[in-house]
Order: sequence, then structure tokens, then C-alpha cells
Amino acid sequence: AQSVAQPEDQVNVAEGNPLTVKCTYSVSGNPYLFWYVQYPNRGLQFLLKYITGDNLVKGSYGFEAEFNKSQTSFHLKKPSALVSDSALYFCAVRDPVDSSYKLIFGSGTRLLVRP
Amino acid sequence: SAVISQKPSRDICQRGTSLTIQCQVDSQVTMMFWYRQQPGQSLTLIATANQGSEATYESGFVIDKFPISRPNLTFSTLTVSNMSPEDSSIYLCSVGGEVGAEQFFGPGTRLTVL
Repeated sequence: AQSVAQPEDQVNVAEGNPLTVKCTYSVSGNPYLFWYVQYPNRGLQFLLKYITGDNLVKGSYGFEAEFNKSQTSFHLKKPSALVSDSALYFCAVRDPVDSSYKLIFGSGTRLLVRP
Repeated sequence: SAVISQKPSRDICQRGTSLTIQCQVDSQVTMMFWYRQQPGQSLTLIATANQGSEATYESGFVIDKFPISRPNLTFSTLTVSNMSPEDSSIYLCSVGGEVGAEQFFGPGTRLTVL
């Protein structure tokens, strides 16, 4: 069965420092992986995805993520955090052979960037 | 990317009543999805709604409780029936996801059941 784990409920960083939000997955075959962000009282916004190709993918707002097949990880990173990055981040996985196209979401990680 | 709107944005309802949530997309889409986000929790897929066919429900969700309509390629409704306080959640619709594409989400409907 497909699953996604976000081991940290919360990540705290100082503005200007690099940030990492961790995600590991379990899926048979090669996964499709996604990161979304949710700001208070807002829906989910798509940040980036890995489908195939280069393991380092770049997305919106300066975020990037690295697909590591051997470690089954897809950690979200940003070189320099902003206070405005404070939000709830979700990792999601889809099994490409699953014709339902449904996403399985991780539990979410709250990012707090302090000034 | 698709622009998705939902109505209502929020509502407070009495237990035992039903609420219908609307999801409107600015372009024609094949697949629409309904998710539930319980307080402090992640998103859980309720069902997938394809135009012209019955919705496909995930384990733990049934049509009698969450009937879905999909009358055309730009619109869908989700009804939360015979509500109880445990149904208090954010309900989100999404579209897309075919062939590796990302899903786009509506702003959500925040439901509180008293």
C-alpha cells in the first residue's frame, strides 16, 4: 500500500537560514511525488513535483526538492527562509500504475520562520 | 492551472441536517476529487467524481453519507448528509492529476456542525 511519512510535526528556522522539510514514501514502482503548501484559511497550493528525470526539482517561491530513490525520500528545501514561508506543508505521492489518480498525503509539517 | 471556486466558503450547521457544497472550475476537466481535512489533520480522499459515471468512494466513505453529483465537466457537488459534530472539517475539491500532472485545489469549505 502507498504511504507517505512526514516525521516532523513542526520545523523552526530563523529567517535567512536554510530550511528542510522531510518526506519519505512507500510505493511500489516509481512514484510521482508532490509538495503542497497551505496557508491559514486557504486551500492547498502546488509547489513542485517529481515525475521523472533530474532528481533535483525546482518549484515556486524558491523551493526545491531532491528525489532520492535509495532512501525513498523527497525532502523539501529552500536556501534562505522567509517569515512569509511560515505555513503548513504537505508531501503527497501517487502510484503511476493506479488509474484512479488519487493522491496520498503525509500528515503535514508546520514550518515556523522566526524573524 | 485551473481556477476553482467553492460555495459556501464556510457554514455552521445543526446536527441531523445536510449541506451541499458546490465546486466550479473555469475549464472542462475529466476528473474531480473531493477531500476531507479534519481539524489538525491531513487530507483524506472521499471520492473521485467523473462526469457521466457514478462516483468512486474510498474505504470508509459511503454514498448515502456523501452523495456526489457531476452533471457536467465544470461542476460537481458534495452533500454531507445527516451531519454530526464529527463531520466538522474542511472539504476541498480538486481537479487534474492525469498523466503525472498535479492536482489543483479549491479554497475549501469550512464546516462546523453543532
